Amino acid sequence: AQSVTQLGSHVSVSEGALVLLRCNYSSSVPPYLFWYVQYPNQGLQLLLKYTSAATLVKGINGFEAEFKKSETSFHLTKPSAHMSDAAEYFCAVSVLTGGGNKLTFGTGTQLKVEL
Amino acid sequence: EAGVTQFPSHSVIEKGQTVTLRCDPISGHDNLYWYRRVMGKEIKFLLHFVKESKQDESGMPNNRFLAERTGGTYSTLKVQPAELEDSGVYFCASSQELVGEQFFGPGTRLTVL
Repeated sequence: AQSVTQLGSHVSVSEGALVLLRCNYSSSVPPYLFWYVQYPNQGLQLLLKYTSAATLVKGINGFEAEFKKSETSFHLTKPSAHMSDAAEYFCAVSVLTGGGNKLTFGTGTQLKVEL
Repeated sequence: EAGVTQFPSHSVIEKGQTVTLRCDPISGHDNLYWYRRVMGKEIKFLLHFVKESKQDESGMPNNRFLAERTGGTYSTLKVQPAELEDSGVYFCASSQELVGEQFFGPGTRLTVL
């Protein structure tokens, strides 16, 4: 079975500062990894995904994540935070088994961006 | 193109009552998923439809939950009878391909009093 750990349920950064949201995963087989973002009163939106191609994945809104197999990590970064980045971020892993592709999520990280 | 829609957006019911949640996936998406987030916890998988067939229902908590997808279009999730621990946000997602991006709806917030 796979699992995801997101360190830090709340992260606060200043506008213009680096955003780093941590995600570690556990999987017995090569995983697919995802970052989703949820803005208030909206559904989850895919930021980026890793599907065994390039280890550095670029997503929307200037976010990127690096897959590090040796560290079982998939941390999300953005060089310069913007007020509009304030939202809840979810890391997720999926493994194709028996025709299914269910996502296993972390507990989420609430990002606050301050002036 | 319309996204995934869910109805209702909020539902408040009393313990023992029945509630039915509805999800309309993106047109043409054969794969439909239900997930649930209990307050303060992670989003958890409930089940996966491929067209009208249940592909994986390993996440369904118990037999008080019944999901259907008649005709392979919209899906309903019925909780009968509802218990306090069923409170949470129920998300629906759909994808065109099995390994394709899952598009999520805004969720239904269920409160059982």
